[in-house]
Amino acid sequence: QVQLQESGPGLVKPSGTLSLTCAVSGGSISSSNWWSWVRQPPGKGLEWIGEIYHSGSTNYNPSLKSRVTISVDKSKNQFSLKLSSVTAADTAVYYCARFRVAGNPDAFDIWGQGTMVTVSS
Amino acid sequence: QPVLTQPPSASASLGASVTLTCTLSSGYSNYKVDWYQQRPGKGPRFVMRVGTGGIVGSKGDGIPDRFSVLGSGLNRYLTIKNIQEEDESDYHCGADHGSGSNFVRVFGGGTKLTVL
Repeated sequence: QVQLQESGPGLVKPSGTLSLTCAVSGGSISSSNWWSWVRQPPGKGLEWIGEIYHSGSTNYNPSLKSRVTISVDKSKNQFSLKLSSVTAADTAVYYCARFRVAGNPDAFDIWGQGTMVTVSS
Repeated sequence: QPVLTQPPSASASLGASVTLTCTLSSGYSNYKVDWYQQRPGKGPRFVMRVGTGGIVGSKGDGIPDRFSVLGSGLNRYLTIKNIQEEDESDYHCGADHGSGSNFVRVFGGGTKLTVL
């Protein structure tokens, strides 16, 4: 079955850029799904960051849009997140997730295990 | 866009029942909401979608019959009967809003369910 695995630095300096990658295994990133990033600050709820379709179409959370870039690499079957100008408020567990379009219903049906990113000097 | 409000915590005794609530902000009474279960240290897991008519579509993989939903007005409910230890989790509700450049997915703050 499809599995997702996040990877990237666990520590990012303030004003720097957070970069994470999500590897998709057991299935193709070119399937008809949205590939998403969701984060969860310590002790808080989930926050949707944005998503990408294999065609390259993206949707971003308006509150983060100016700092976020999500891209897809079909040759490596993975997608990536870049979040610029980070502050301590960006410290969170970052999850990648699949939003299954053809599901009944369509929903986030597969999630990675999450990776903790701390913003600190 | 809608705001989803959840009580931060709930508790229930082993074998009892509990109902968790997700409240949509005013004006969004026709919205459907997705429930997700998040066990400690794990990623979320889709439970089911609920509208004012009840469940929409199918439950998530492996979700037991003890889990059910109802929708009324601005509230979307998740009821768990005969609570088991493995039900102790954070429960999140989520919804989609808009289209095109105004599209956004939103989540509530989550409810931490403690099994006594």
